[in-house]
Amino acid sequence: NAGVTQTPKFQVLKTGQSMTLQCAQDMNHNSMYWYRQDPGMGLRLIYYSASEGTTDKGEVPNGYNVSRLNKREFSLRLESAAPSQTSVYFCASTGTTGNTIYFGEGSWLTVV
Amino acid sequence: GEDVEQSLFLSVREGDSSVINCTYTDSSSTYLYWYKQEPGAGLQLLTYIFSNMDMKQDQRLTVLLNKKDKHLSLRIADTQTGDSAIYFCAELTDSWGKLQFGAGTQVVVTP
Repeated sequence: NAGVTQTPKFQVLKTGQSMTLQCAQDMNHNSMYWYRQDPGMGLRLIYYSASEGTTDKGEVPNGYNVSRLNKREFSLRLESAAPSQTSVYFCASTGTTGNTIYFGEGSWLTVV
Repeated sequence: GEDVEQSLFLSVREGDSSVINCTYTDSSSTYLYWYKQEPGAGLQLLTYIFSNMDMKQDQRLTVLLNKKDKHLSLRIADTQTGDSAIYFCAELTDSWGKLQFGAGTQVVVTP
């Protein structure tokens, strides 16, 4: 049972490059999320998808785009990476009850 | 927006009890969570409590909720070196599963 799987785990980008973080869950969950974690700030919500075919902005969406490709997959794209986007990114998902939210292992992104 | 606050650091001796405190502001939160993060790892859900409960116990973990004061605590009995980690308090802010996190409490267990 894989749960929530994110790739890549580590990535170094140059300023201005683009990349996509992939996330997949095998729990048949409706809702999926992307958070970023910065030192001393906890986790902040970037985007979420309440169900297949819908996406909405979270607290810090600027500089990011998302795609809910199907029920399993929710990707996060950085079109033109900036040093301020150096962070740890977590994907999460939850089912219809919404009370148990599972996180992936995280993706460490450095923009130089 | 809502704020969740935690103390940033806690040092505890092995075998003692640890108590990590958290305050939140959204009185309509239905669920409150404790997550554990070890170095270089993701977030592990430790436990959660529904807002109509005052206490929840799960082996060495005890969660206390004071809704009047919007205060949540996590007590770890018989703290072990493997409990050294960052602990995040989070509240469920809406029906879509969005969480508001505290900044995390770094727990260091000393022999």
